[in-house]
Amino acid sequence: RKEVEQDPGPFNVPEGATVAFNCTYSNSASQSFFWYRQDCRKEPKLLMSVYSSGNEDGRFTAQLNRASQYISLLIRDSKLSDSATYLCVVNAGSNFGNEKLTFGTGTRLTIIP
Amino acid sequence: EPEVTQTPSHQVTQMGQEVILRCVPISNHLYFYWYRQILGQKVEFLVSFYNNEISEKSEIFDDQFSVERPDGSNFTLKIRSTKLEDSAMYFCASSEPVAGGYEQYFGPGTRLTVT
Repeated sequence: RKEVEQDPGPFNVPEGATVAFNCTYSNSASQSFFWYRQDCRKEPKLLMSVYSSGNEDGRFTAQLNRASQYISLLIRDSKLSDSATYLCVVNAGSNFGNEKLTFGTGTRLTIIP
Repeated sequence: EPEVTQTPSHQVTQMGQEVILRCVPISNHLYFYWYRQILGQKVEFLVSFYNNEISEKSEIFDDQFSVERPDGSNFTLKIRSTKLEDSAMYFCASSEPVAGGYEQYFGPGTRLTVT
């Protein structure tokens, strides 16, 4: 089983639609979870951390299910600028504060005007 | 907004040559990292660094690689004898503790091309 598994897509959705990404991780000892976005040939940019209680930042909502080892990201009212690759990222570090991040392969999203 | 910076943006080198990739982490961050991304593949962890020593390293980070914090601001990755398969984007990242964990911020990367 891959350490972090994502549907590679691509997802092509019309502007204004809601889109959901899912991710599973294999290491049950993982402590921290994140969504990053990456534009073509650019660095990963932190979108949001994912907390057990779920969290929301504007149009973005992230959920974590530790029992199922499952993470999700929901984007509402999608905009053209949301077009990017969305990376599911899990902390696989062995020491607290030493966050060795394990990345999924990413899900490519294209918002269509 | 503070950010991680990296130089050069693109480095072309011949196989067998040594390269040094430079990074300036965010100033109040204490943890530093190098990752790489081969074209078309996922981002992979190389090494983490804290308190002037390596905290953890991956299998990729073999004896050809080394890291250093030569002064209070720079963080470098050295590849002693480059191979063709070292061609990749190399990202530096830094982090600080925040509520619930440590969030890593990435620099813009150095594209290394080994010919």
